Amino acid sequence: SQTIHQWPATLVQPVGSPLSLECTVEGTSNPNLYWYRQAAGRGLQLLFYSVGIGQISSEVPQNLSASRPQDRQFILSSKKLLLSDSGFYLCAWSVSADTQYFGPGTRLTVL
Amino acid sequence: QQQVKQSPQSLIVQKGGISIINCAYENTAFDYFPWYQQFPGKGPALLIAIRPDVSEKKEGRFTISFNKSAKQFSLHIMDSQPGDSATYFCAASDGRSYNTDKLIFGTGTRLQVFP
Repeated sequence: SQTIHQWPATLVQPVGSPLSLECTVEGTSNPNLYWYRQAAGRGLQLLFYSVGIGQISSEVPQNLSASRPQDRQFILSSKKLLLSDSGFYLCAWSVSADTQYFGPGTRLTVL
Repeated sequence: QQQVKQSPQSLIVQKGGISIINCAYENTAFDYFPWYQQFPGKGPALLIAIRPDVSEKKEGRFTISFNKSAKQFSLHIMDSQPGDSATYFCAASDGRSYNTDKLIFGTGTRLQVFP
């Protein structure tokens, strides 16, 4: 069966520090991968999606970037965090069947 | 045209009652309409989904009603239970979009079911 992992589960970072969040998927090949951000009590904002290694599409211009160095690995990064980057970051995967499966999320607090 | 409008923003229902959440869309190319359930601190999980070739789909206490001509779909939770208290998101996608399965999400409905 397929599983999706995200780490860390929680993170507290100072403003201006770098960020690296990792997502890995097991049990499937060549998935579409997605990064979402969810502000407190708000909806899901699609940040990036990837249909293959090295193929990244950005939905919202910001100081975040994404990379897909391996088929089932998706990384969200920032060189300098802003207060507004705080939120709940969710990784998701899908394989051509419309349904997206979400990971457990990373709670990021920028102070 | 890519938006999915969801209402209400929050909903309070007594145990045993019916919870109804509505969504509307504009893009007639949408052909897949899932509902996700999210508990606090967790990722959303697929609850139930429908395609426009049927007007209703039922799974246990959860039913999706779909009105293609009105471009609306709704989630009905029968015999609502306190364990149903969560945030619900509707979504839609155009399966013909090249090489991706982008879902357009509604803004979410926070459901609270009181005993």
